[in-house]
Amino acid sequence: QKEVEQDPGPLSVPEGAIVSLNCTYSNSAFQYFMWYRQYSRKGPELLMYTYSSGNKEDGRFTAQVDKSSKYISLFIRDSQPSDSATYLCAMSWSGGSNYKLTFGKGTLLTVNP
Amino acid sequence: ETGVTQSPTHLIKTRGQQVTLRCSSQSGHNTVSWYQQALGQGPQFIFQYYREEENGRGNFPPRFSGLQFPNYSSELNVNALELDDSALYLCASSSITGGEETQYFGPGTRLLVL
Repeated sequence: QKEVEQDPGPLSVPEGAIVSLNCTYSNSAFQYFMWYRQYSRKGPELLMYTYSSGNKEDGRFTAQVDKSSKYISLFIRDSQPSDSATYLCAMSWSGGSNYKLTFGKGTLLTVNP
Repeated sequence: ETGVTQSPTHLIKTRGQQVTLRCSSQSGHNTVSWYQQALGQGPQFIFQYYREEENGRGNFPPRFSGLQFPNYSSELNVNALELDDSALYLCASSSITGGEETQYFGPGTRLLVL
């Protein structure tokens, strides 16, 4: 079993839709949770970062963490064509977000105009 | 832009050769991490350098080695290249200050081994 599981998609939605992206993990030592966006031929760009269970909102993006279920989600409201990218969940343990990140495979999202 | 640069952008090598990839970290960042991202996969942690010393290593063989320099630049060296080494190599810089710090990724070097 991989430490972090993420459905690779692809996921195709119409503009304005609410998008839900999810990851599950098996290692309870993970304490820090991140979502990265990666455009084609670019490096990952940090979208959201959290270290506690519950919700964190930033503009159109909401990150949700449920440590008891070992499940994290990213919601994108009012999705735009510019949101089309691969979304990677990443986690790290008590060393902090500085240390080794363990990534999911990434979900390829396409938002159609 | 993250302020992290990598060179070269693309590279083609043949099996058995050696390669050096370079990264220039964001100014003031004392930590650099290297990741390998195969096609269709998430990045895999290779190793991290902090103040020019290796500070943790992932599940990669010793033919993957690194260096970090005082001027915030770093290198990833891979010896005896194998076909499976074909991937996007990413460096990420950050600053260990005792708190939670973001890792800033560069654009990557795409390596093809023939």
